[in-house]
Amino acid sequence: AQKVTQAQTEISVVEKEDVTLDCVYETRDTTYYLFWYKQPPSGELVFLIRRNSFDEQNEISGRYSWNFQKSTSSFNFTITASQVVDSAVYFCALSEGTNRDDKIIFGKGTRLHILP
Amino acid sequence: KAGVTQTPRYLIKTRGQQVTLSCSPISGHRSVSWYQQTPGQGLQFLFEYFSETQRNKGNFPGRFSGRQFSNSRSEMNVSTLELGDSALYLCASRRGEKNEKLFFGSGTQLSVL
Repeated sequence: AQKVTQAQTEISVVEKEDVTLDCVYETRDTTYYLFWYKQPPSGELVFLIRRNSFDEQNEISGRYSWNFQKSTSSFNFTITASQVVDSAVYFCALSEGTNRDDKIIFGKGTRLHILP
Repeated sequence: KAGVTQTPRYLIKTRGQQVTLSCSPISGHRSVSWYQQTPGQGLQFLFEYFSETQRNKGNFPGRFSGRQFSNSRSEMNVSTLELGDSALYLCASRRGEKNEKLFFGSGTQLSVL
């Protein structure tokens, strides 16, 4: 069965520090997709990235970067030079690609506080 | 393009009552998924509808049900409400292709007293 673990429940850092959010997943599929979403205080989840299991290249988008490591079943998310607007709950999620029932399962989220 | 719209935004009910939540997906999206979000459990998958048929189901009791209409709008119903049903209920839509990203609404905050 698919499972996503975000061990960090809550993190606080001072503005401009770098912060890494951890995500570990479990799946029996060889084809799967990983996602990160951001939930600001307004409540609406915002899509950040989707990666498939065949693409292990790390990705950078502005201050955001993602480190996908199949060997450790991890898909970690780093924010560089954090800003107060980055304060939110961040969710990692998994979808099994070959499974007919490709429901997206979420981790419990990491609440990130960026202190001014 | 309008986003995913959920109504109502807030609801207060008492134990034993039933409630219906509504979700209008993004135009052209045929899949609607529902999630329950609570502080302790994070986002838990309830079910997904695609072209009026339930395509996936999570591990929730039969008191939680849903349906989808021909215009892709979806409703979720919870009968015989319990205190533990208090949560933010999120609806998400996508076109319907496998493993696509979800687009979320702002949710309905349900409080059961």
